[in-house]
Amino acid sequence: GDSVTQMEGPVTLSEEAFLTINCTYTATGYPSLFWYVQYPGEGLQLLLKATKADDKGSNKGFEATYRKETTSFHLEKGSVQVSDSAVYFCALSGANDYKLSFGAGTTVTVRA
Amino acid sequence: EAGVAQSPRYKIIEKRQSVAFWCNPISGHATLYWYQQILGQGPKLLIQFQNNGVVDDSQLPKDRFSAERLKGVDSTLKIQPAKLEDSAVYLCASSLGGGGFGEQFFGPGTRLTVL
Repeated sequence: GDSVTQMEGPVTLSEEAFLTINCTYTATGYPSLFWYVQYPGEGLQLLLKATKADDKGSNKGFEATYRKETTSFHLEKGSVQVSDSAVYFCALSGANDYKLSFGAGTTVTVRA
Repeated sequence: EAGVAQSPRYKIIEKRQSVAFWCNPISGHATLYWYQQILGQGPKLLIQFQNNGVVDDSQLPKDRFSAERLKGVDSTLKIQPAKLEDSAVYLCASSLGGGGFGEQFFGPGTRLTVL
């Protein structure tokens, strides 16, 4: 079945550092790919998405490119802030159904 | 616009007891989802409703879990009887359509502790 594997955490960074969280997927056909974020004490929110190969999703300075050849959707941000401290989840929605399959989540802590 | 509402936010019960969670989706959203998120894991879909019909309940442990969405609006998820391994956060989400390209909006969740 469809599945997502993402980089294990926790990840601790200093402010203005570069952040990468790796995400790879296994799926049949052409899934849609998502990054969700969960800030402390809040619910899951969609951060960005990409629906076809080579699409780049971007939001709040974060970017991820849908790479079909490497089945990857890595999340990047060039300069993190303390407010980016959160748990980040990679997810996919299958080509034939709309069920979201999530990775285990990566906890990111940014120090001032 | 009001978000997805869930109650209660926290619940502590003993094993073999029953518990129910309530969810009110965003107004106009036809699709409603219940997820289980065990500590350290990503959310796992339990059941998906389209209006008041079940689309997918393949991962719902039907011997103890049940869910309904009688009028196509709010929904309840019940566990009877609860086991220790049911300790988790139960998330409700809704979307306008089937959710494939459309965004799922999540509620704050109900944290269940089974002792």
